[in-house]
Amino acid sequence: QSVLTQPPSASATPGQRVTISCSGSSSNIGGNTVNWYQQLPGTAPKLLIYSTNQRPSGVPDRFSGSKSGTSASLAISGLQSEDEADYYCASWDDSLKAVVFGGGTLLTVL
Amino acid sequence: QLQLRQSGPALVKPSETLSLTCTVSGGSINAPNYFWGWIRQSPGKGLEWIGTLYYAGTIDYNPSLKGRVTMSVDISDNQLSLKLRSVTAADTAVYFCASRYCTNGVCYVAFDPWGQGTPVTVS
Repeated sequence: QSVLTQPPSASATPGQRVTISCSGSSSNIGGNTVNWYQQLPGTAPKLLIYSTNQRPSGVPDRFSGSKSGTSASLAISGLQSEDEADYYCASWDDSLKAVVFGGGTLLTVL
Repeated sequence: QLQLRQSGPALVKPSETLSLTCTVSGGSINAPNYFWGWIRQSPGKGLEWIGTLYYAGTIDYNPSLKGRVTMSVDISDNQLSLKLRSVTAADTAVYFCASRYCTNGVCYVAFDPWGQGTPVTVS
């Protein structure tokens, strides 16, 4: 059972907007920044969003991150087939003194 | 551009020690403000943080693995290493090394880039 809770799956059609949630607590998301990683099939994870809402160079502005209280969200607009991947949220947990990940959300582009 | 290349055995016997190496190119493993991490992914499962080694030498380990895991760096070879002792089938996973994400001279609490991953089976 992951410390951060994500829906196991999400789906949408090309061009639509999809949001993936990540629920935590005051010891992680509530007090620390959130990162999002994208993992394409058979590859290593790639940083998608850092510091809750910042995009690394090269990541399209279709991807955005936000946080409210102890929950964070990743939004993908103008969905494309190449966005089909696993998405993981991550944060530091002050109580566990550990980096904690969500269980991952498999995004399917219908 | 920082690149991480992993190496190590794909098969480890139960009760033995898993040893992996991550060779860094395009930058120094001893660069100020950097940290280096190991993360693993069990078959069909999510990501699990193993530990982070900081520039100053401090190391944070996942409490669930503490006592079995050791991370270290070899500055002369620009390598990061992981040792996990007394492995069981539950340690079967793809192991990744990763660097702290830094851009435009500023570093953040995030991992990027990652190594290619090393599948390790304990059997």
